[in-house]
Parts: sequence; C-alpha cells; structure tokens
Amino acid sequence: DAKTTQPPSMDCAEGRAANLPCNHSTISGNEYVYWYRQIHSQGPQYIIHGLKNNETNEMASLIITEDRKSSTLILPHATLRDTAVYYCIVGRSSNTGKLIFGQGTTLQVKP
Amino acid sequence: DTGVSQDPRHKITKRGQNVTFRCDPISEHNRLYWYRQTLGQGPEFLTYFQNEAQLEKSRLLSDRFSAERPKGSFSTLEIQRTEQGDSAMYLCASSFDGTYTEAFFGQGTRLTVV
Repeated sequence: DAKTTQPPSMDCAEGRAANLPCNHSTISGNEYVYWYRQIHSQGPQYIIHGLKNNETNEMASLIITEDRKSSTLILPHATLRDTAVYYCIVGRSSNTGKLIFGQGTTLQVKP
Repeated sequence: DTGVSQDPRHKITKRGQNVTFRCDPISEHNRLYWYRQTLGQGPEFLTYFQNEAQLEKSRLLSDRFSAERPKGSFSTLEIQRTEQGDSAMYLCASSFDGTYTEAFFGQGTRLTVV
C-alpha cells in the first residue's frame, strides 16, 4: 500500500474552513484515498473516501488532484468538536478495514 | 444497531499475567479487525477475520498474542505473559465484505501493564 505524508499539526478558527493536505505520490491506479479522524480517547471514525473524482458528503469534501498524487480534505465550517487527529490513508477497496495509519494531522480548532 | 462494542474499556494487569479482550462487531458485518495503538502513534493493524477464518496476521502479533472468532460473531484477543511493552489501546473494527464499505471502530480497550 502506498504511503502518505501529512503535516503533523494545523490550527483553524472556529467557523472557518479547515483544509487538510495529504501527499500520496506512490498511489497506484486501483487504490483509494480514505480519510478517518480520531477524537481523543475514541476509536477512529470514517469521514470520506475517493478514487479520482472529488467527493462530498455531510461531513466533508475531498479534493483529489488530477494526477492523484495529493488530496485535500475540507471541513467547510469547522467547530470545536472537529478537533481531532485526521488520518489520510491509501489502500485497495478489496479489504477496506485493513488500514495503514500514519501519524496523521492534529487539527486544533480554536474559538 | 449499537455499533462495535469492546469490553473491558480499561484493564490494568501485572506483568506476566494473561489478559483477554472481547469485541462485538456490528451484527451483519462479516469482517473483523484488531489494531493496537500506542501513545502518539496511529493505530497498527494486527489481524483480521472473515467470518470465523483468521485470514491475515501482522508480524506485530507475536506468539504471545492469539485471536479467535469462533462462530463468526464476537472475537477475543488474548495476550499471554503480558509485558510492559504491551501497554496500549487495543481497537476492534468491523466491516462488510463489499466493494467499498467503511470500517467502524469500537472505543477500544486501554491496557496498562504494571
């Protein structure tokens, strides 16, 4: 599975958009980009996934570059409850629970 | 549907003792995964089951660790002769066997070996 690179930490003001980048330059054609987050003392929570098209759901938007070597997770209106560690993961759809987590980005949403 | 349930939530044990954790997945999920997470690190994959069959084990799963899923429903993870390095959060997740289905994680069991 391809590896990902994320900044270790980011801050965001409450109510503003949070844009979390991820590099995955070794991604292969059949690998998806998944985003999970982990709020302190809880298990990881699925946010969104995509293959090559941009995706949006009720939680977030995922923008994948045309060459698929990087992506950005967008939380459109961050709240204090969005403070968490965000993990960008690349993997095949055939075993969606076997996830290779990196260290993620710690997002701190500030009032 | 109450989600993935893990028991106990916290366990303190003395070095050398055996411990067993339980995971109850979402009822219709046929895949079940175990992860370990140490402080400041992302979760690390340990093993997974499809129904009752254990299909993959990470090299992190030493011979002191054993996992079972006897009837394809709940699973247990046992650690024998615990060591201080086993102190971690043990997470369970479950999913469908489908084209793409997200994994749902439990709250984890926090193990402290003293």
